[in-house]
Amino acid sequence: NAGVTQTPKFRILKIGQSMTLQCTQDMNHNYMYWYRQDPGMGLKLIYYSVGAGITDKGEVPNGYNVSRSTTEDFPLRLELAAPSQTSVYFCASSPPGIPYNEQFFGPGTRLTVL
Amino acid sequence: AQTVTQSQPEMSVQEAETVTLSCTYDTSENNYYLFWYKQPPSRQMILVIRQEAYKQQNATENRFSVNFQKAAKSFSLKISDSQLGDTAMYFCAFMFSGGGADGLTFGKGTHLIIQP
Repeated sequence: NAGVTQTPKFRILKIGQSMTLQCTQDMNHNYMYWYRQDPGMGLKLIYYSVGAGITDKGEVPNGYNVSRSTTEDFPLRLELAAPSQTSVYFCASSPPGIPYNEQFFGPGTRLTVL
Repeated sequence: AQTVTQSQPEMSVQEAETVTLSCTYDTSENNYYLFWYKQPPSRQMILVIRQEAYKQQNATENRFSVNFQKAAKSFSLKISDSQLGDTAMYFCAFMFSGGGADGLTFGKGTHLIIQP
């Protein structure tokens, strides 16, 4: 049971390039999330998904796209990378339920846009 | 929209001392959850403790406990008998109690340093 895995761990992009950050979880969790963490700040929600085929915007979705074709995978796409997207990106997953179920975080991807 | 405020950018204490990290939040909701996450230099986000807003009893996990004051919208974390391994960024976070789909709202964090 690997939990939440993210690839790559580090990446440097040039302005205007595009890339996909991969996120996979093997816990059969319905809910998945993408956050970004800027230097000296807390995490901010980019997009989330409550199940395959269903995604929704979070607090800071501009410049990103997501898809959820399977329960396991939740890739984050950056189109036309900008320096403002330099950040650490975290993927997380959780099973649904009330009361709250813990979010499990991946190790993060450090992205630099130059 | 809810906001989470951590007013202490950095704190430093001696090993074995007790330290309290502050957090305040603003929301119009009545049902929600509050969390403290630890982020060591490895970057991994680790859940330390959580509190359901409908519970009056403060949550406790071993050396970690919270002081939850719902009316004051305050949620502080107390670490007793601090250890060198407690050195990390600590984030306070908020979530509506809708099953987790809305994601977490984080504060800016407090950098806690435990001195030997």
